[in-house]
Amino acid sequence: RKEVEQDPGPFNVPEGATVAFNCTYSNSASQSFFWYRQDCRKEPKLLMSVYSSGNEDGRFTAQLNRASQYISLLIRDSKLSDSATYLCVVNTLTGTASKLTFGTGTRLQVTL
Amino acid sequence: DGGITQSPKYLFRKEGQNVTLSCEQNLNHDAMYWYRQDPGQGLRLIYYSQIVNDFQKGDIAEGYSVSREKKESFPLTVTSAQKNPTAFYLCASSASGPRVEQPQHFGDGTRLSIL
Repeated sequence: RKEVEQDPGPFNVPEGATVAFNCTYSNSASQSFFWYRQDCRKEPKLLMSVYSSGNEDGRFTAQLNRASQYISLLIRDSKLSDSATYLCVVNTLTGTASKLTFGTGTRLQVTL
Repeated sequence: DGGITQSPKYLFRKEGQNVTLSCEQNLNHDAMYWYRQDPGQGLRLIYYSQIVNDFQKGDIAEGYSVSREKKESFPLTVTSAQKNPTAFYLCASSASGPRVEQPQHFGDGTRLSIL
């Protein structure tokens, strides 16, 4: 089983739609979680951290379910500019080092 | 502006040649990282460094070497021992390695290809 699993997509949605991505992780000791956005042939950029209580940033909502070991990202009122690959990232502290594990990403294509 | 600068943006390597990728940050971050990204795969960790003059191997360190002589700089050398070096290389930094809540921030990457 992969440490971090995401549906690769693509998710093709019309502008204005609501879309949700899930990500599962295998290491129950993982301690922090992030969503990154990566545009084609560009570097990943931090979209938001994911907190246990869930958190919202504008049209984006992230949630964490530790019991089931998954995190989710909800995008409301999709814009054309939201088209990108969304990377689920899990951070695990092992000894004195933290290790980020990246999912392969879920591709979103928002259309007119 | 604070940030992470990688150079060059594109790099071509001949067979048997070592090449060095540059990564400089002015964010005053302690921890720096090198990743490799291949099509259809997640980022994989090559090496990381939590403090100056110290670094550790990541998951795919074979065929690579690094140094951390200055806090701002973490160059990566792709040696001739790396048989499949064609990939997108990303450098990242974070405020403090052991603190799990600190996200990593990335440079804009170097694309390495074999001639």
